[in-house]
Amino acid sequence: GAVVSQHPSWVICKSGTSVKIECRSLDFQATTMFWYRQFPKQSLMLMATSNEGSKATYEQGVEKDKFLINHASLTLSTLTVTSAHPEDSSFYICSARKASGRSDTQYFGPGTRLTVL
Amino acid sequence: AQSVTQPDIHITVSEGASLELRCNYSYGATPYLFWYVQSPGQGLQLLLKYFSGDTLVQGIKGFEAEFKRSQSSFNLRKPSVHWSDAAEYFCAVGHLSGGGADGLTFGKGTHLIIQP
Repeated sequence: GAVVSQHPSWVICKSGTSVKIECRSLDFQATTMFWYRQFPKQSLMLMATSNEGSKATYEQGVEKDKFLINHASLTLSTLTVTSAHPEDSSFYICSARKASGRSDTQYFGPGTRLTVL
Repeated sequence: AQSVTQPDIHITVSEGASLELRCNYSYGATPYLFWYVQSPGQGLQLLLKYFSGDTLVQGIKGFEAEFKRSQSSFNLRKPSVHWSDAAEYFCAVGHLSGGGADGLTFGKGTHLIIQP
């Protein structure tokens, strides 16, 4: 199998606080993980690529100082939303890339619902 | 830049009927194509993927998709839908670099409704 978990599944926080979301690959090692954001009834938008042991690569328009990514091990990547504001409320989804020759696949976590009051 | 278009926002199909969900992509090289399904409260589940080779790809749950380079399409099909197929379906395209597939570009999704 290829299972990816996220914690927490939902979180409510006050404006100005920081929130950390964890993404774990449970039964495989992932040198690369990805973070996506999904607004209600919309598609997933790639935010950043997280590489184990190196700095994350952010997509254009994504503030790296606001969305801190740490990929400290082959099975864990974290996304910290710093000084969260209501406009950061969204569904955050991670995926982990499982290598399989050149035909590797991304496996997605169940997502984390963030609500900023 | 790569992009994915799913022209149908909603599709309603009677249970037992056939299904085709459309997906068109824009990409400068050979694409790496996926179909995912997202059910309420659950994560995205991979239905099938195309990397190379046979252009007709078989997936899980009885789904298949056909890659047509001339039409830049990767339509998803199922001969007979079940009520449990009701969900959001996403087509995605990826870039294949030396280290594997990069982050995916998703279409906006098609919401599938199954009528009894």
